[in-house]
Amino acid sequence: AQRVTQPEKLLSVFKGAPVELKCNYSYSGSPELFWYVQYSRQRLQLLLRHISRESIKGFTADLNKGETSFHLKKPFAQEEDSAMYYCALSGTTSGTYKYIFGTGTRLKVLA
Amino acid sequence: DTGVSQNPRHKITKRGQNVTFRCDPISEHNRLYWYRQTLGQGPEFLTYFQNEAQLEKSRLLSDRFSAERPKGSFSTLEIQRTEQGDSAMYLCASSLPAGGLKETQYFGPGTRLLVL
Repeated sequence: AQRVTQPEKLLSVFKGAPVELKCNYSYSGSPELFWYVQYSRQRLQLLLRHISRESIKGFTADLNKGETSFHLKKPFAQEEDSAMYYCALSGTTSGTYKYIFGTGTRLKVLA
Repeated sequence: DTGVSQNPRHKITKRGQNVTFRCDPISEHNRLYWYRQTLGQGPEFLTYFQNEAQLEKSRLLSDRFSAERPKGSFSTLEIQRTEQGDSAMYLCASSLPAGGLKETQYFGPGTRLLVL
């Protein structure tokens, strides 16, 4: 079954501390993985995707096919990082373009 | 704002009534998606259009739900005989094909439905 698991509903860290938001997936092929972020009162927006291998706002995520994980990391959290983070998977089956989302992790960065 | 727009932003209705939501995608995006998000959950896929063709529907989309995209531009999602379990945020997203890669989906602000 295709599934995305985000085990933490809430993650609280102090400003300047490292952050790791966990994401594990289940998919029989080679999916594409995304991280979306939703700031307060804003719409869902793309943070990064594994194929781009970018660092956005200091965040990085590496796809680990052996562990089927795509954890989101940032070495030094900022207060403005407080938001809801969703991990999403898009399959590679021809004609399938839907995203499968995890349940999300709320990140709170404390001053 | 040239992003995805959705109307209305909020809808309160009584059980048994019909409701219709509209989504205007980013112009030139030929793929359009509907998702539903309930409290504490991530968005769940409902259906997807490429131009005017509805190419995939989730099992979540019961026969009370119907979606259209008549001219390949805006889309409507109608729920007939609403039930309290239909209360949710309904999200629309659009994307532009990116060759062999999975394109990025751009989301609208959502329509929040409350069924009393």
